[in-house]
Amino acid sequence: QSALTQPASVSGSPGQSITVSCAGTSSDVGGYNYVSWYQQHPGKAPKLMIYDVNYRPSGVSNRFSGSKSGNTASLTISGLQAEDEADYFCCSYAGRSTWVFGGGTKLTVL
Amino acid sequence: EVQVVESGGGLVQPGGSLRLSCAASGFTVSNKYMSWVRQAPGKGLEWVSITYTGDSTSYADSVKGRFTISRDNSKNIVYLQMNNLRAEDTAVYYCARVEMAVAGGYFDHWGQGALVTVSS
Repeated sequence: QSALTQPASVSGSPGQSITVSCAGTSSDVGGYNYVSWYQQHPGKAPKLMIYDVNYRPSGVSNRFSGSKSGNTASLTISGLQAEDEADYFCCSYAGRSTWVFGGGTKLTVL
Repeated sequence: EVQVVESGGGLVQPGGSLRLSCAASGFTVSNKYMSWVRQAPGKGLEWVSITYTGDSTSYADSVKGRFTISRDNSKNIVYLQMNNLRAEDTAVYYCARVEMAVAGGYFDHWGQGALVTVSS
């Protein structure tokens, strides 16, 4: 149950697009289409942003999108806004009724 | 409105025990899978445990044999009994509702968390 690998930080200017990667293995990210992404503002609970690789829950902006290629998943945020500044965590089902999260990526909007 | 509210956190000595509660509203826990996820100070999220509607359970290796997840359907509450606590169990513990597919799933509603501090 090793954590998925995310970059520690990414940054972008308002209006730009950024992508956060999430590297796993064939036992988690690569083996299942059950990758989800969570946004967490300081001192707050995580919020679901993407599920099943590329689906958005109701109420989440269409500026957020997800994808997967092999053992790596990605979260893309387009049209960056100041309110997007937060920590982002990926998560994957890892088989045998277990889940694994990434270490988190801090997004800074310059 | 779907809500989950954790309680029961606090300071406990190494080797001690604590029970967290997760009170649900807006849905019935008997119809949903429920999970606990923790976050150590300044660290990332770590999945801890899940309880299925048929009372099956699963645990992360780091807590297996020490933590027990259960539910009281009559009270609409999910519990996490934590025994033999270690310093590395210090974290904010989140209760989360799980939306499951055929296999796998995601955490669609989260509580605000309960802080557990293990220290002498």
